[in-house]
Amino acid sequence: DAKTTQPPSMDCAEGRAANLPCNHSTISGNEYVYWYRQIHSQGPQYIIHGLKNNETNEMASLIITEDRKSSTLILPHATLRDTAVYYCIVRGSQGNLIFGKGTKLSVKP
Amino acid sequence: DAGITQSPRHKVTETGTPVTLRCHQTENHRYMYWYRQDPGHGLRLIHYSYGVKDTDKGEVSDGYSVSRSKTEDFLLTLESATSSQTSVYFCAISARDSGNTIYFGEGSWLTVV
Repeated sequence: DAKTTQPPSMDCAEGRAANLPCNHSTISGNEYVYWYRQIHSQGPQYIIHGLKNNETNEMASLIITEDRKSSTLILPHATLRDTAVYYCIVRGSQGNLIFGKGTKLSVKP
Repeated sequence: DAGITQSPRHKVTETGTPVTLRCHQTENHRYMYWYRQDPGHGLRLIHYSYGVKDTDKGEVSDGYSVSRSKTEDFLLTLESATSSQTSVYFCAISARDSGNTIYFGEGSWLTVV
């Protein structure tokens, strides 16, 4: 099953863009990349997912490199409420999401 | 938000007692999952279901069993709870396999004393 690698922590100033990187060099051609976040001990919240093309929704943008070995989640105008652990995830052979340890994003005033 | 309800949300039980956690969905999704989350381990898959009466093991299935007699309900049972099963348990649902979003419930906090 494909695995992902993320930096353990990042800081971002409130109102600025937060760019969260993820490496998934072993991903196969038909595996989607998903991003979730978890605030405190709440259930993981879906943000966005993509296969090859860049994606954008009301929460964030997802930029996937052409070789699909890495991606970046962009929160365009981070707020204090975006402080959370962000997970870059691929789906395993059982259809499940394989979670790593994620990136702890701290948005500071 | 996806219609997922976990019960109980909090439970304290004694070692050796059976415990059942329930996940109920109103989305009619085919796939359902049980994860546990522990400090330093992220979320790990316990069991999953791909239809009524169709279940399979995840990476940390020892000590757990599941049942799915209806589309909307997925039960996780600890036959004889141990302290190592103290954890936060999350249920998740998905419409299909690849390409579909998986939605998570709010979690069930289980403490085994």
